[in-house]
Amino acid sequence: ETGVTQTPRHLVMGMTNKKSLKCEQHLGHNAMYWYKQSAKKPLELMFVYNFKEQTENNSVPSRFSPECPNSSHLFLHLHTLQPEDSALYLCASSQGTGGADTQYFGPGTRLTVL
Amino acid sequence: GQNIDQPTEMTATEGAIVQINCTYQTSGFNGLFWYQQHAGEAPTFLSYNVLDGLEEKGRFSSFLRRSKGYSYLLLKELQMKDSASYLCAVMDSNYQLIWGAGTKLIIKP
Repeated sequence: ETGVTQTPRHLVMGMTNKKSLKCEQHLGHNAMYWYKQSAKKPLELMFVYNFKEQTENNSVPSRFSPECPNSSHLFLHLHTLQPEDSALYLCASSQGTGGADTQYFGPGTRLTVL
Repeated sequence: GQNIDQPTEMTATEGAIVQINCTYQTSGFNGLFWYQQHAGEAPTFLSYNVLDGLEEKGRFSSFLRRSKGYSYLLLKELQMKDSASYLCAVMDSNYQLIWGAGTKLIIKP
């Protein structure tokens, strides 16, 4: 499945570093999402963009900063992270944000904060 | 609060049938999704139910009973490649997906 790609696949960073995660979807969808997945915990929705506009920010700390320049690309800028931010970060896209709009996921970025 | 419950882990034998249950309590209901996630990979869509009843798709079937806040995923003729986590998610009244923690399914020969 190459509909949604994410780079990098793995990232190790110190607490003072600044890095960015990139997501690209090739499905012609209008909505894009960032999720955090920690071991044995449910997926946590972080941000939702629909037609490039942010429609959801689930009380995410400001050290995570999303950017959506167009409907195909989504970034997550990271700065001064904490070790508890180590997790798998998943990007997803869907045609819309309605009930039957299936979300398609990228492979994720495995982030380790030292 | 909103809650999705599913067993943490299940074990089954190759060639057998397994049923993974999911119960939910959400503010509103706009459909229930099942995803499969192999270790280190993306979750992939399996099924969507919005009306009561059984949806069959090859070896996989998904059932929904909205009045009970209950769904199950049925996997038949299990294969080793079915070893994965299975995620249940409900779309609430705000059209947000509320996720369960997933059920890790282990298939033994």
